[in-house]
Amino acid sequence: AQSVAQPEDQVNVAEGNPLTVKCTYSVSGNPYLFWYVQYPNRGLQFLLKYITGDNLVKGSYGFEAEFNKSQTSFHLKKPSALVSDSALYFCAVRDGNSGYALNFGKGTSLLVTP
Amino acid sequence: DAEITQSPRHKITETGRQVTLACHQTWNHNNMFWYRQDLGHGLRLIHYSYGVQDTNKGEVSDGYSVSRSNTEDLPLTLESAASSQTSVYFCASSDGNPNLYEQYFGPGTRLTVT
Repeated sequence: AQSVAQPEDQVNVAEGNPLTVKCTYSVSGNPYLFWYVQYPNRGLQFLLKYITGDNLVKGSYGFEAEFNKSQTSFHLKKPSALVSDSALYFCAVRDGNSGYALNFGKGTSLLVTP
Repeated sequence: DAEITQSPRHKITETGRQVTLACHQTWNHNNMFWYRQDLGHGLRLIHYSYGVQDTNKGEVSDGYSVSRSNTEDLPLTLESAASSQTSVYFCASSDGNPNLYEQYFGPGTRLTVT
C-alpha cells in the first residue's frame, strides 16, 4: 500500500527565514510524489512533483522539494518565506503500480509571521 | 481557460435525504476523483473514474455512489445522508499522460447534514 506521512501538524517560521515542510513516503514500487497548497476556502493547487530525474525539483511560487530515496522523504522547502505562504500544505504519493489515484497526507499548516 | 467547477458550493440537508453534488471539468481529462476533507484526516478518496462508464471505489466509499456518462461530469450521490457525511467535498481531474499525473481540483462543496 502507498502512503505518506506529514509529521508536523503546524510549522511556524518568521518572514524571510527558510522554511521546510516534511514528508515521508511508503510505496512498494517507484514513487510519484506531489506537493499541493490550500488557501482558506479554496481547492488544492498543485505546486510541484517528482516522477524521475533530478532529486531537487523546482515548482511554483519559489518552492522546491528534495527527493531522498534512502530516507524515503520528499521535504518541501523555500529559501525565504513570505507571509503570503501561510496556508495548508499537502504531500501526496502515487505508487507506480497502482493507477492514477493519489494518497494524501493529513496536511501541515504553515504560519509565516512578519 | 479550462477549469473544474463544483455545485452547489454550500449545502445543508437533513439526515436521510438523498443529495447529489455536481462536478464538471473542461480539461477533457479522462480521470476524475472525489475526496472528502475532514480535520485530522486530510483528504480521503471516495470514488474515482478513469473514463466513461468506469467507476471505482476509494478508501471511504460506503454511503456514496458515482456515475460517469460523459467525459466532463462525475456527480457524487449520497444515497441517504448521515451526520458523519458532514464534510468538505472536492472533485479533481487528471490527464492520462504518464508524465502528467498531477490532479486539478475544484473549489469544493461544504455539506452539512443536520
